[in-house]
Amino acid sequence: EVQLVESGGGLVQPGGSLRLSCADSGFTFSTYWMSWVRQAPGRGLEWVANIKEDGSEKHYVDSVKGRFTISRDNAKNSLYLQMNSLRADDTAVYYCVREIAWVAFDFWGRGTMVTVS
Amino acid sequence: QSALTQPASVSGSPGQSITISCTGTSSDVGGYNYVSWFQQHPGKAPKLMIYAVNSRPSGVSSRFSGSKSGNTASLTISGLQAEDEADYYCGSYTSGSTLEVFGGGTKLTVL
Repeated sequence: EVQLVESGGGLVQPGGSLRLSCADSGFTFSTYWMSWVRQAPGRGLEWVANIKEDGSEKHYVDSVKGRFTISRDNAKNSLYLQMNSLRADDTAVYYCVREIAWVAFDFWGRGTMVTVS
Repeated sequence: QSALTQPASVSGSPGQSITISCTGTSSDVGGYNYVSWFQQHPGKAPKLMIYAVNSRPSGVSSRFSGSKSGNTASLTISGLQAEDEADYYCGSYTSGSTLEVFGGGTKLTVL
């Protein structure tokens, strides 16, 4: 069974940092692109970043470029999101998702809440 | 403001069919066959219902179908059921600096 379990969310002051982690199991992690998608309270979905199977290619939404860094450790079946210079509008539930094709997010974690205040 | 435009709400009675539209541009929906649809119930993570315009993942009911014409993609749900009541989001690949974008979401009410 595919499982994606996020952790690392919490309350942080503006300008602060957080590192989100996602522990993955039930599939061959190293053969999939992975993404982070967020959802602000009461709002819609927003793609944040993704990373190629081997970590050699990364992409970000414009609003987080230069502040967030996506990474992965295939030996640990884990995905990460380092978030620096956090702002109030980064407040959201952050989902770890598996990507089988562009924008085809077939498995989602339960999400971890990040509150910047 | 979302990159893709969806109606804020749609409604239908049990057994009926409804269609949700997702309008973009030639740089996203119209330019690529990478359009997905997601269903999200309150307090839950989204679920992939359609990808690559009209492909259904294993386990998704055949009552859900996708299509595209020009810059507009559509999700059709036939034989509406009470459990279909949820928010629906479209997503598309884009040639812009942000590679993947979503619509603002559509709330489906089953009357």
